[in-house]
Amino acid sequence: KNEVEQSPQNLTAQEGEFITINCSYSVGISALHWLQQHPGGGIVSLFMLSSGKKKHGRLIATINIQEKHSSLHITASHPRDSAVYICAVRFSGTASKLTFGTGTRLQVTL
Amino acid sequence: GAGVSQTPSNKVTEKGKYVELRCDPISGHTALYWYRQSLGQGPEFLIYFQGTGAADDSGLPNDRFFAVRPEGSVSTLKIQRTERGDSAVYLCASSLSGGPYTQYFGPGTRLTVL
Repeated sequence: KNEVEQSPQNLTAQEGEFITINCSYSVGISALHWLQQHPGGGIVSLFMLSSGKKKHGRLIATINIQEKHSSLHITASHPRDSAVYICAVRFSGTASKLTFGTGTRLQVTL
Repeated sequence: GAGVSQTPSNKVTEKGKYVELRCDPISGHTALYWYRQSLGQGPEFLIYFQGTGAADDSGLPNDRFFAVRPEGSVSTLKIQRTERGDSAVYLCASSLSGGPYTQYFGPGTRLTVL
């Protein structure tokens, strides 16, 4: 069965902390997306990756294809980073359809 | 440029009624996706259009759900005989084409079936 699991489900951090959110999936993929969703807001795509590592500002995404695992890191976290972070994958052979994790709710406090 | 837009932003209807939800993708994007997000859950795939045709409709839950994209741009998701369980946020996304392209999401339509 094609599944995507994220951990933790909820995360509270203090401003400035280094944050890691994990995503694992069950079978081979062609691409993995990290998305951000603010309360009451739309979804914004942060990264799309199929290998290695990508960095954008304070955000870093890595993927290990052999281990079927990806991580999203936030350095020097800030309260404005508070949001739900969602991992979504395109499983091999499923055309363009994305399968989503249930999300990680991040709260960064002062 | 303009992003993906969806109308209405909120829709309240009664059980058994028919509803239409509209998605206006980014201009030039040939791929369009519909997803449904229930409270506290990640989005679930409903249907994917490449141009005017539905390339994958495997996520539509039953035959009460139907979607069209007659001119390869705007899409309408149609739900007949709505049920309380249809209450969710319906999200639309578009991308330049199918395959490994970033998907850009609209703000969603919150559907409440009373």
